[in-house]
Amino acid sequence: SAVISQKPSRDICQRGTSLTIQCQVDSQVTMMFWYRQQPGQSLTLIATANQGSEATYESGFVIDKFPISRPNLTFSTLTVSNMSPEDSSIYLCSGAQGWDTEAFFGQGTRLTVV
Amino acid sequence: AQSVSQHNHHVILSEAASLELGCNYSYGGTVNLFWYVQYPGQHLQLLLKYFSGDPLVKGIKGFEAEFIKSKFSFNLRKPSVQWSDTAEYFCAVNVRSGNTGKLIFGQGTTLQVKP
Repeated sequence: SAVISQKPSRDICQRGTSLTIQCQVDSQVTMMFWYRQQPGQSLTLIATANQGSEATYESGFVIDKFPISRPNLTFSTLTVSNMSPEDSSIYLCSGAQGWDTEAFFGQGTRLTVV
Repeated sequence: AQSVSQHNHHVILSEAASLELGCNYSYGGTVNLFWYVQYPGQHLQLLLKYFSGDPLVKGIKGFEAEFIKSKFSFNLRKPSVQWSDTAEYFCAVNVRSGNTGKLIFGQGTTLQVKP
């Protein structure tokens, strides 16, 4: 299975600022996803990161708030824009080789907005 | 909309007790099914998966799960739990969409095993 590295692992940010989270996979993957895990809750899919095109967002998530880039098959970024305390959460990157394979996850980025 | 429902939010067991965690999904199309585990302070790890074939699948650390298509269920079992099984358990369903898919998670079950 591939190894996913996320940076930063944690951060404390001021409200109104933006944070970009990087996700690096040690091998090429067809599919990459971004999830949010709020304290004590499950994982909610934010979007599918598409290589070379705009990400596909789930209901309740918009590009202006969570812009995503995926320039190649091993790298993606998620930006949390104009942050508020409600954005405090763990953000997880995930990758998979295809629909019929398992997904693997990074260790997550723990974001606290003050 | 597709959804995954885990019946138990918090389970407390003594060591050597048997475990069964319920999972149901709502989607009539082709799905792949997973159980993931998250140990305290660690990232998500795959426990087991079902794609096709034998509906009884075995995973790591003595866990197994049974897919019952007619009930849209994928329950996780372990005959005898250990203190080290204390963790958060997530059922997940990969819903196919064209040549791709997306992984939808249940709410999670916190398992606490008392020594």
